[in-house]
Amino acid sequence: SAVISQKPSRDICQRGTSLTIQCQVDSQVTMMFWYRQQPGQSLTLIATANQGSEATYESGFVIDKFPISRPNLTFSTLTVSNMSPEDSSIYLCSVKGQTHYEQYFGPGTRLTVT
Amino acid sequence: KQEVTQIPAALSVPEGENLVLNCSFTDSAIYNLQWFRQDPGKGLTSLLLIQSSQREQTSGRLNASLDKSSGRSTLYIAASQPGDSATYLCAVRKNSGNTPLVFGKGTRLSVIA
Repeated sequence: SAVISQKPSRDICQRGTSLTIQCQVDSQVTMMFWYRQQPGQSLTLIATANQGSEATYESGFVIDKFPISRPNLTFSTLTVSNMSPEDSSIYLCSVKGQTHYEQYFGPGTRLTVT
Repeated sequence: KQEVTQIPAALSVPEGENLVLNCSFTDSAIYNLQWFRQDPGKGLTSLLLIQSSQREQTSGRLNASLDKSSGRSTLYIAASQPGDSATYLCAVRKNSGNTPLVFGKGTRLSVIA
């Protein structure tokens, strides 16, 4: 299994500002995933972050809005830029186990944009 | 495009009841299926992982079954407890281990003492 931590756990931000969310994993992993969960909805994949290359974004998500860094095999950041109230969501970092591809999730960052 | 549906969307049961949560998926070419639990405002906890070649997995009071050909999975919870109250999410991974998970919208379970 993998233990994942995220910072901050929650934040309240003003419209137009940016927030960077940090994700730390207790083991080295090739791919890290960022998900968004809007209120009352299920999880939507934002992007996949590989170490040493640019992140791959899903349809509807762009790098200018959600820049991602992946400086090493245990750490990643997701920035939510120029925020609007529609960005209010839980943002979750996730990794996949190597043997059976079981997915593990961090505790999430609960973002409220006012 | 893979779609995952969970029924019911919400369920309320008295403590001690056995219950079944349902998950269906449109494309049977899956690599594995995973059940998660999510407490309000929190992250996801993995409950059970079923590989495409398996029929079921058990952990304590939880049993998950998989019928890949019909595109269905069930999560059986025995002797439910108030601490089981949470949202239960089903997710499938298509084809290979390198494809992303596709999630259902979840079943919100309330177990009443």
